[in-house]
Amino acid sequence: GAVVSQHPSWVICKSGTSVKIECRSLDFQATTMFWYRQFPKQSLMLMATSNEGSKATYEQGVEKDKFLINHASLTLSTLTVTSAHPEDSSFYICSATGQGVYEQYFGPGTRLTVT
Amino acid sequence: GENVEQHPSTLSVQEGDSAVIKCTYSDSASNYFPWYKQELGKRPQLIIDIRSNVGEKKDQRIAVTLNKTAKHFSLHITETQPEDSAVYFCAARRSYFGTGTSLTVIP
Repeated sequence: GAVVSQHPSWVICKSGTSVKIECRSLDFQATTMFWYRQFPKQSLMLMATSNEGSKATYEQGVEKDKFLINHASLTLSTLTVTSAHPEDSSFYICSATGQGVYEQYFGPGTRLTVT
Repeated sequence: GENVEQHPSTLSVQEGDSAVIKCTYSDSASNYFPWYKQELGKRPQLIIDIRSNVGEKKDQRIAVTLNKTAKHFSLHITETQPEDSAVYFCAARRSYFGTGTSLTVIP
């Protein structure tokens, strides 16, 4: 099956710094990638959808200047949390789909802790 | 956007019994409804999906039904086993998730 990886799996950063999370599709071309945020024992909240080569589409309430998403190639999307604050601490999960494919394949997630 | 509600939030069943989880959605334009299983500390995994041109779909012990008019869909798991214990999420349009149901199957 399709494999999506994320790096890092966990990261701790200081308040005010920025952190980048990578999402890679390892064995297929990901025309669309999704970024989610998941709080403990809660659901996945869609943050943004990115299509390769285009600007990401952000969900209502998600600050695009704070959560920078880049999808520059068919195998890589990045999420940069800028000027991180403790309230940004969360589990971030990406997923990817190929062209014409409905099913999305999830990455293992990245645990971000901002101190 | 899309608003998906899911019930119940927790569900405990005896091994061998059936489990039913229900979801409603708000946008009549939504036409794809996947269900995901997420075990503790793991990524969500697609277990079954249904498109709006179909009313029911079955895959072994798992079935999903869709009522477009009422804008609700349900997951049915029969002959439950302890390994079915997990959190189940419904979704509309692939990316708008319900709030989740924590299913516990008691041996």
